[in-house]
Amino acid sequence: KQEVTQIPAALSVPEGENLVLNCSFTDSAIYNLQWFRQDPGKGLTSLLLIQSSQREQTSGRLNASLDKSSGRSTLYIAASQPGDSATYLCAVRWGSEKLVFGKGTKLTVNP
Amino acid sequence: KAGVTQTPRYLIKTRGQQVTLSCSPISGHRSVSWYQQTPGQGLQFLFEYFSETQRNKGNFPGRFSGRQFSNSRSEMNVSTLELGDSALYLCASSDRDRTMNTEAFFGQGTRLTVV
Repeated sequence: KQEVTQIPAALSVPEGENLVLNCSFTDSAIYNLQWFRQDPGKGLTSLLLIQSSQREQTSGRLNASLDKSSGRSTLYIAASQPGDSATYLCAVRWGSEKLVFGKGTKLTVNP
Repeated sequence: KAGVTQTPRYLIKTRGQQVTLSCSPISGHRSVSWYQQTPGQGLQFLFEYFSETQRNKGNFPGRFSGRQFSNSRSEMNVSTLELGDSALYLCASSDRDRTMNTEAFFGQGTRLTVV
């Protein structure tokens, strides 16, 4: 069964800290992996898309890596800010338009 | 370029009623997918439409249905509402024409509350 797991479920850090969010998936034959941000009661904002042939993608203070062989992706956030507080979701596509989501990591950045 | 638009943003319905939600994808996108988000189950795939055809369907009862129009706008319908249908319903669009490696863009969602 194709599943996506995100650990930890919640994370609290002081402002300015660099942090890593983890995502693992069960089947390495992925098409792509996408990281999203969700603010309370809102929709999903796409942060980064990594194709199966790529090892990492960067956007501003965000860097996402992909290791298909180990079934893992990480989202690195540099110099965290209170505005980064949100739930971060990892989603994997395995050959159809369907995305399979993890349960998310709720991040709180304390001023 | 306008994003994905979902209407209405909020709905309150009574058990047994039916409801229709609407999604307008990003201009030029022909793939529209629907997801249900609940605190317990997280985000679960409902169905995907591409060029007015349903391409994939998730594990939901037949009370959940959808359709896509020639302008790519999509609607989903839930009949005989149950309390457990209370959720945030999210729509995603993508430019599926070129390749499977496409980025999905989500709308703000419709918050459905069944009382």
